[in-house]
Amino acid sequence: AQSVTQLGSHVSVSEGALVLLRCNYSSSVPPYLFWYVQYPNQGLQLLLKYTSAATLVKGINGFEAEFKKSETSFHLTKPSAHMSDAAEYFCAVSDNTNAGKSTFGDGTTLTVKP
Amino acid sequence: KAGVTQTPRYLIKTRGQQVTLSCSPISGHRSVSWYQQTPGQGLQFLFEYFSETQRNKGNFPGRFSGRQFSNSRSEMNVSTLELGDSALYLCASSSDTGAKETQYFGPGTRLLVL
Repeated sequence: AQSVTQLGSHVSVSEGALVLLRCNYSSSVPPYLFWYVQYPNQGLQLLLKYTSAATLVKGINGFEAEFKKSETSFHLTKPSAHMSDAAEYFCAVSDNTNAGKSTFGDGTTLTVKP
Repeated sequence: KAGVTQTPRYLIKTRGQQVTLSCSPISGHRSVSWYQQTPGQGLQFLFEYFSETQRNKGNFPGRFSGRQFSNSRSEMNVSTLELGDSALYLCASSSDTGAKETQYFGPGTRLLVL
């Protein structure tokens, strides 16, 4: 079985500040981990994914995430927030026992203040 | 390449009716997955089809069904609609089945059941 916990349903940062969105996972086998972004009335867009290669993963729009097995974490960061980053972010996990389909966290809404 | 398309984008139905939603995957993609997104339950996996075969199914009642055609287009059907079926239904395609495949999401179909 696999699961994802996103700590903090709402995160607010000032423009230019560090963005940190937290994700902890549970998986009985080595996981694959994903971060998605969803803008209002749109589907999900992949930001980045971890598939057991480098533990520091760089994604689109300046985002990156680090896989830490000892902490079962995959937190998403961006050094400097932009107004256009305001959206809902989802962390997801999948593993080979689940025929490849992802389990999603509850999401974190990021607000960026001017 | 054109992205994942879903039709219709918006739908209003009444309780007891049935509904069919359509998803056209990215050209060349053979795997199509369906998810239900609601404020209360978040993103939940419905089912996945690969080469016209259902490969995996989430924990939804039998009122929810789907199929995939030889051109990889997929439909999902919900019979005897209930108020709780109001949701955003997202379709995602990937080139292959497997835990680390990137899923590309469509914009969703927003269903309102009155």
